[in-house]
Amino acid sequence: NAGVTQTPKFQVLKTGQSMTLQCAQDMNHNSMYWYRQDPGMGLRLIYYSASEGTTDKGEVPNGYNVSRLNKREFSLRLESAAPSQTSVYFCASARQGASVEKLFFGSGTQLSVL
Amino acid sequence: GDSVTQMEGPVTLSEEAFLTINCTYTATGYPSLFWYVQYPGEGLQLLLKATKADDKGSNKGFEATYRKETTSFHLEKGSVQVSDSAVYFCALALPHTGANSKLTFGKGITLSVRP
Repeated sequence: NAGVTQTPKFQVLKTGQSMTLQCAQDMNHNSMYWYRQDPGMGLRLIYYSASEGTTDKGEVPNGYNVSRLNKREFSLRLESAAPSQTSVYFCASARQGASVEKLFFGSGTQLSVL
Repeated sequence: GDSVTQMEGPVTLSEEAFLTINCTYTATGYPSLFWYVQYPGEGLQLLLKATKADDKGSNKGFEATYRKETTSFHLEKGSVQVSDSAVYFCALALPHTGANSKLTFGKGITLSVRP
């Protein structure tokens, strides 16, 4: 009964380092999303994948890349981390055609860039 | 563009107090409105929703009414409990062709309930 699993839960990077945030869901969902959560800003959509093999930019895609590796997995990569990318990152998934509110969220990755 | 504005926080209440968290929105078209809750260390969960004007969403003792005339969706609970301590997000969504509708979130407000 895992739902949406994100790894790692915490990460500290130095400016310029790269890393990949992993997300996997076991609910056979078609759509997957990456959000970032900043204090006083709410959640903002970075990228989404409506189905396997497709990805689209969200509200704040600059500095990120994504890969929809297969139906289960959707990764977010920071090629050259910047302090402005310090945030909490949430992955979410939903069944294709489901009402928008039926998003299932992971528990988040807290990233600090020094 | 579409946006959601929530009252400034944090909010601290004593157990059994009445809760109101204000939320107003700006949107082109006819949005659906939502309240999400985030308990410590967890992801967001849908708390309640309303899809058209005058609808009332309710769950776990929380209520919110979709007011088109005031573009508001305020969250209320008559008697809060310590277990209600969390971050609350108001959100809206408009249909978007080609993918699931996308959510626009407010900035969230932290509620702390004292025993």
